[in-house]
Amino acid sequence: GAVVSQHPSRVICKSGTSVKIECRSLDFQATTMFWYRQFPKKSLMLMATSNEGSKATYEQGVEKDKFLINHASLTLSTLTVTSAHPEDSSFYICSAGNSGSLYEQYFGPGTRLTVT
Amino acid sequence: GENVEQHPSTLSVQEGDSAVIKCTYSDSASNYFPWYKQELGKGPQLIIDIRSNVGEKKDQRIAVTLNKTAKHFSLHITETQPEDSAVYFCAASMTGGGNKLTFGTGTQLKVEL
Repeated sequence: GAVVSQHPSRVICKSGTSVKIECRSLDFQATTMFWYRQFPKKSLMLMATSNEGSKATYEQGVEKDKFLINHASLTLSTLTVTSAHPEDSSFYICSAGNSGSLYEQYFGPGTRLTVT
Repeated sequence: GENVEQHPSTLSVQEGDSAVIKCTYSDSASNYFPWYKQELGKGPQLIIDIRSNVGEKKDQRIAVTLNKTAKHFSLHITETQPEDSAVYFCAASMTGGGNKLTFGTGTQLKVEL
């Protein structure tokens, strides 16, 4: 149980284009999903908290107009990187909180974004 | 806000030896402390967690201890195996804080044959 999937696993896009990453909880309902960014050999940096049916809450320093988050259902959240630039290249990871638990978060396998 | 420090940043042990990773946290309101294992190119995997109402939890070769007074918690891996080699992250969160996790900086564990 508690499986979270991400799609795509790897994506390469050109500067100026937008790319969408999907995060799905496969066997549980996730009222809250989180999006993280991870640089090589670094820890996870929380970008935003996504609650189903409401606007995402962004961490300080994260541009909400650049990283669009939508959480339209209890099993799906999407992150769209708009007008991507090479500095947006990173490993993006989502996690989902089980609505039946106050605590646990389960992570997706991550998406490697490369902007050329 | 919460700050989590993790040590050591790298740890090399011989197969069969024990490994210990330590974390400290700053916010006494934190009450949930998970540990994650991350293999190269993959997402973190929850391996064990502990809540503030207990001092120790064990799952086969893995154990976590928590000292609320000192605000530190540790991961103990016994009888290490090569497949234990990975990056380990500790984290802390609190109820009422939106379940947001604050992560430590990670420990690269290498188990040598």
